[in-house]
Amino acid sequence: AQTVTQSQPEMSVQEAETVTLSCTYDTSESNYYLFWYKQPPSRQMILVIRQEAYKQQNATENRFSVNFQKAAKSFSLKISDSQLGDTAMYFCAPRYCGTSYGKLTFGQGTILTVHP
Amino acid sequence: DTGVSQNPRHKITKRGQNVTFRCDPISEHNRLYWYRQTLGQGPEFLTYFQNEAQLEKSRLLSDRFSAERPKGSFSTLEIQRTEQGDSAMYLCANVQGPGNTIYFGEGSWLTVV
Repeated sequence: AQTVTQSQPEMSVQEAETVTLSCTYDTSESNYYLFWYKQPPSRQMILVIRQEAYKQQNATENRFSVNFQKAAKSFSLKISDSQLGDTAMYFCAPRYCGTSYGKLTFGQGTILTVHP
Repeated sequence: DTGVSQNPRHKITKRGQNVTFRCDPISEHNRLYWYRQTLGQGPEFLTYFQNEAQLEKSRLLSDRFSAERPKGSFSTLEIQRTEQGDSAMYLCANVQGPGNTIYFGEGSWLTVV
């Protein structure tokens, strides 16, 4: 079974500081994408950032960046200059392109609270 | 706006009743997914369509659940004889844009009383 582990159920950070959310996954596939989604209290699932597994360069999207370690199957999300609007549940989700019809497999989520 | 519209957004139903949710993706990309999410958990895969063909169903999709995508555009998810354990948010998603990214609709909340 392809598993996704987010080992931090809850995290908190002060506004303007930096926080890193961890994610590890287990797969034997070589062709896949990795995603981080956020789900604020409104429950809308919002894409944060995407990483192609074949790319060595870590993806960045404004204040969000990833540390992708393919050999270690690790995909952490760094949020810089945290803002109150970043408060949400964050999900790591690999998308395997081989035998799984490209469906996402979600981790358990990390609740991030940004304090003023 | 992710280009995926779901309705109804909220549904309260009595146990034993049937409910139907609809998903309308603006993009006519051929891949569409349904997920279920309970409070405090990550979404769980239910089923996948490529065009009008339902190619994969999770074991979570009991025989009380049926999903269709008759013309390869919108999709429906019907739950018959609802049970309290069916209370959850049902999410529809499709694949859009570069990198085959999956985008989600706003979800349909189901409460079975």
